[in-house]
Amino acid sequence: SQQGEEDPQALSIQEGENATMNCSYKTSINNLQWYRQNSGRGLVHLILIRSNEREKHSGRLRVTLDTSKKSSSLLITASRAADTASYFCATDAGADSWGKLQFGAGTQVVVTP
Amino acid sequence: GAGVSQSPRYKVAKRGQDVALRCDPISGHVSLFWYQQALGQGPEFLTYFQNEAQLDKSGLPSDRFFAERPEGSVSTLKIQRTQQEDSAVYLCASSFRDSYNEQFFGPGTRLTVL
Repeated sequence: SQQGEEDPQALSIQEGENATMNCSYKTSINNLQWYRQNSGRGLVHLILIRSNEREKHSGRLRVTLDTSKKSSSLLITASRAADTASYFCATDAGADSWGKLQFGAGTQVVVTP
Repeated sequence: GAGVSQSPRYKVAKRGQDVALRCDPISGHVSLFWYQQALGQGPEFLTYFQNEAQLDKSGLPSDRFFAERPEGSVSTLKIQRTQQEDSAVYLCASSFRDSYNEQFFGPGTRLTVL
């Protein structure tokens, strides 16, 4: 079973535009992570936000976390064709802090030049 | 090594055959994870090792699935008597230690069971 659900399932934008995708999850978490997957580079870690953090930035990425609503958002600013990929949120909800991740089904993003 | 490597990259098996999938984690990484990813879905957790100890195997779909990491480095995922529903990409990931370290994923092994 998958803990997270991403919304939308698919997103098509033009280069230079911003892309926003959302993730909702069901149980309390230790942290939430975003990963990107494309055929060329496999699954790549983008950013980790801890449960006691509300916002985090990394380059053109901005992640927010609202634990009261059990939701997170990923914003990619000034998108590029190379951002075309599937984006997954993954939650670590384990009591043991081993890092076992539960992934959502992903948002497929297409950035056209 | 430079990253997590997996072999083979592609495997075609006839139903009923046994298969073995190999994962070479990043040197020094304590934690190793196996995930199964069906087409169009996100990865699903299978099992977790801390060094050579298998601490969580709750995601293994059946007793036909077996994983080991005998020396705390290379890991092998074995599937016995493969079934068509086992067709998926099997991903291996390693991390330095625990929950607050990012996981580095290998390219995966795409298994097709005919």
